[in-house]
Order: sequence, then structure tokens, then C-alpha cells
Amino acid sequence: AQKITQTQPGMFVQEKEAVTLDCTYDTSDPSYGLFWYKQPSSGEMIFLIYQGSYDQQNATEGRYSLNFQKARKSANLVISASQLGDSAMYFCAMRDRGSTLGRLYFGRGTQLTVWP
Amino acid sequence: NAGVTQTPKFQVLKTGQSMTLQCAQDMNHEYMSWYRQDPGMGLRLIHYSVGAGITDQGEVPNGYNVSRSTTEDFPLRLLSAAPSQTSVYFCASSYYRSPEELFFGEGSRLTVL
Repeated sequence: AQKITQTQPGMFVQEKEAVTLDCTYDTSDPSYGLFWYKQPSSGEMIFLIYQGSYDQQNATEGRYSLNFQKARKSANLVISASQLGDSAMYFCAMRDRGSTLGRLYFGRGTQLTVWP
Repeated sequence: NAGVTQTPKFQVLKTGQSMTLQCAQDMNHEYMSWYRQDPGMGLRLIHYSVGAGITDQGEVPNGYNVSRSTTEDFPLRLLSAAPSQTSVYFCASSYYRSPEELFFGEGSRLTVL
């Protein structure tokens, strides 16, 4: 069974608008961590944001925020005020206690295109 | 300020050839891992290590070997390359006290003909 599901293969957003990238996860472990990574066309993996399952507040990092809905097992990434440089592939990932520390389960990614 | 260094960045092999993808980190991280990225599949874990001398298999270990003789290095060996191993390979490392901070190398693109 897929641990991480990203249902949007591609998303389009106009510059300066906000966009939400969906991510749902599957775990029975009460302790887990959720991650979002950005992969531009150059290929490197860039860490964006992290949410722990026990964190009381939704994580935020600059223009990135994670909409964490524990009961729904969703961890959507919200990018506010999109920029052309945000065009990239975005991956949601999870680590739980069933996985060795440092090991992540990745979704299949969402290709975001920001247009002027 | 090297972080995680992978070599080579590009490699073309013929079926049946062997090669080693090198990964080195200078952050004294305990945890190191290898992932492969295929189109539409996201990243999948091949092998990982929680310290020198300790390795274990991930989701897709077949056809690959690893060893961890030092904290810094975690090479990935392809014993007899197959076209199905054409992929982009990422090495990653993290510190045991903050496992959420996973540092990735820049990736190695391997083509097997």
C-alpha cells in the first residue's frame, strides 16, 4: 500500500497567486514526520518544510506552509504569492517509527508550473 | 562546505558491466542512504546505513550492494548492470539527533544500454 499519495500530477498557477499541493499519508504509527521537497529542473532535492505528528501548530517557512489535518491524514503544501522560480516538481514524504530514522517514503510528485 | 558529494554525475554503462557510485559526506552524519528516482515513481529507497559497519536493505535492493567502512563514505555498487537500473540515484545523509534534516547529494544519472 502506498504510504504517500499525491493525486495531482501537474498543477498550474499564475504568478502572485497561492497554490495548494495535496498530500495524503497512511500510517498507524502515532509518531511520524512529514516533509516537502522541491526538485527544480536542475535535479537537486531541496528541503522545504517539516511537520511532526505531535506539533500543535502548522509548520511555516516563509512563503511555504503545511496544512496539517491529522484526522484526515493530509499534509498539503500551501505556497503563497507564487513566483516563476517556484516552477518545479514537489515531493511529499513521510518518516514513521516503522522506518529507520533517516529513511523516507516519497510520493510520486506534483509538477508545478507558474505562469506570468 | 561540501555537504553530500556524489560521483560521477553522469555515467553510461553497457548491460552486464559493473560500477560503483560514490557518496561522501563531511558532516559526520550517522545515517546515510541511497534512493533511486524513476519517472512517475518518486524516490525509492535502495539501501541505508545507520553507522559504520551497519547496512540494511530498503524497498528496491536487488542488483545493488553497499558497504559502510567509514562514517564518511557509502558507495553503491552495481554488480551486473541491467537496463532496468537506468535511473537517477540520490545519496542522502542525516544526523541521528535531527533525522528530519535529510541532506541530499546532487544526484547521479545512470544509463544502462
